[in-house]
Amino acid sequence: GENVEQHPSTLSVQEGDSAVIKCTYSDSASNYFPWYKQELGKGPQLIIDIRSNVGEKKDQRIAVTLNKTAKHFSLHITETQPEDSAVYFCAASKEGNEKLTFGTGTRLTIIP
Amino acid sequence: GAGVSQTPSNKVTEKGKYVELRCDPISGHTALYWYRQSLGQGPEFLIYFQGTGAADDSGLPNDRFFAVRPEGSVSTLKIQRTERGDSAVYLCASSLRGGHKVYNEQFFGPGTRLTVL
Repeated sequence: GENVEQHPSTLSVQEGDSAVIKCTYSDSASNYFPWYKQELGKGPQLIIDIRSNVGEKKDQRIAVTLNKTAKHFSLHITETQPEDSAVYFCAASKEGNEKLTFGTGTRLTIIP
Repeated sequence: GAGVSQTPSNKVTEKGKYVELRCDPISGHTALYWYRQSLGQGPEFLIYFQGTGAADDSGLPNDRFFAVRPEGSVSTLKIQRTERGDSAVYLCASSLRGGHKVYNEQFFGPGTRLTVL
């Protein structure tokens, strides 16, 4: 089955700087890659996703890039703010197989 | 509109007891998923419903775990003879899936924290 690896496990950045979180996946048939933000005591919240027919997607301060050949994808957050502090999870799935396989998470801390 | 809701938010039970966890998906969402999240880990897939039927139950760890969705809306996850290792946050998600296009976006509820003493 699919295996998703995520790093780093923790990341601290100064407010205003950029943060990058990277994930790799093992199943070349995976074609959907969402990113979730989870705050303490809450369920994961979808923040951006990308399908395998595109290489990059941007939404304001958040962007995701996908390299299908290398089987890795990354989350980029620019101009970080204190409210960006949370645990971020990458995930992968493939059409026809609805389950998401999640990475182990990155705890992002924004230092004011 | 309302998001995915789960009840109870917290459940404490004793080893060997039976528990039921409830999920109310977003109205109109035909697909419903259960995941389990242990401390410091990402959610792990348990079971997926499309309508009333379990389309994929490959993530259920053993036969003590069972889930139903009798009317294609609300779902109940049932755990028999609970063990301390079942302690985790149980997350429910729903998604809109219909016609010729598959929408993969899954929207999660806040979870039920299960503690087995």
